[in-house]
Amino acid sequence: SAVISQKPSRDICQRGTSLTIQCQVDSQVTMMFWYRQQPGQSLTLIATANQGSEATYESGFVIDKFPISRPNLTFSTLTVSNMSPEDSSIYLCSSAWGTEAFFGQGTRLTVV
Amino acid sequence: DAKTTQPTSMDCAEGRAANLPCNHSTISGNEYVYWYRQIHSQGPQYIIHGLKNNETNEMASLIITEDRKSSTLILPHATLRDTAVYYCIVRFPTSGTYKYIFGTGTRLKVLA
Repeated sequence: SAVISQKPSRDICQRGTSLTIQCQVDSQVTMMFWYRQQPGQSLTLIATANQGSEATYESGFVIDKFPISRPNLTFSTLTVSNMSPEDSSIYLCSSAWGTEAFFGQGTRLTVV
Repeated sequence: DAKTTQPTSMDCAEGRAANLPCNHSTISGNEYVYWYRQIHSQGPQYIIHGLKNNETNEMASLIITEDRKSSTLILPHATLRDTAVYYCIVRFPTSGTYKYIFGTGTRLKVLA
């Protein structure tokens, strides 16, 4: 199995600012995934990040708003840029190990 | 991308079997069905997965219909700690990896 750590676990941010969320995996993994979970909703895939290449974004998500870095096989960051209250959500990092996907505990973001 | 539909909520008496249905009528032949659960805003936890055969592990059983258009997750003896949101997910291959697309989830409440 793989253990995924996310930082910060929660944050309260002013609108118009940006927040970078870090995701660390205890094993080398090929792909990492970023999800958003809006209050009371299911998880929505934002993008898939492969080491050494541009992230692939799902419909409705763009790189300018959610830039992603993937500098090595154990680490990724997601930035939520120019935040508005509508960005208040839980953001989760995930990766696949064997036949399972593993998830971090999430970053609870509140934009005021 | 195959989509899943699940009932919004279900109740189950403690000690009884909890049967959670999922419809995935557009699933393709190489797409797996996965089940995860999420307890009170923690990261999703893997339960079980299958392709076309029924599967059982220490947590649950997965029954997939012969046409693969639907499945049922069975928790054989539900406990209060099984109260959670249960997600039926289709995993499909893309660009050398897989995507996990979450359904809307079923909120299971186990009653004492």
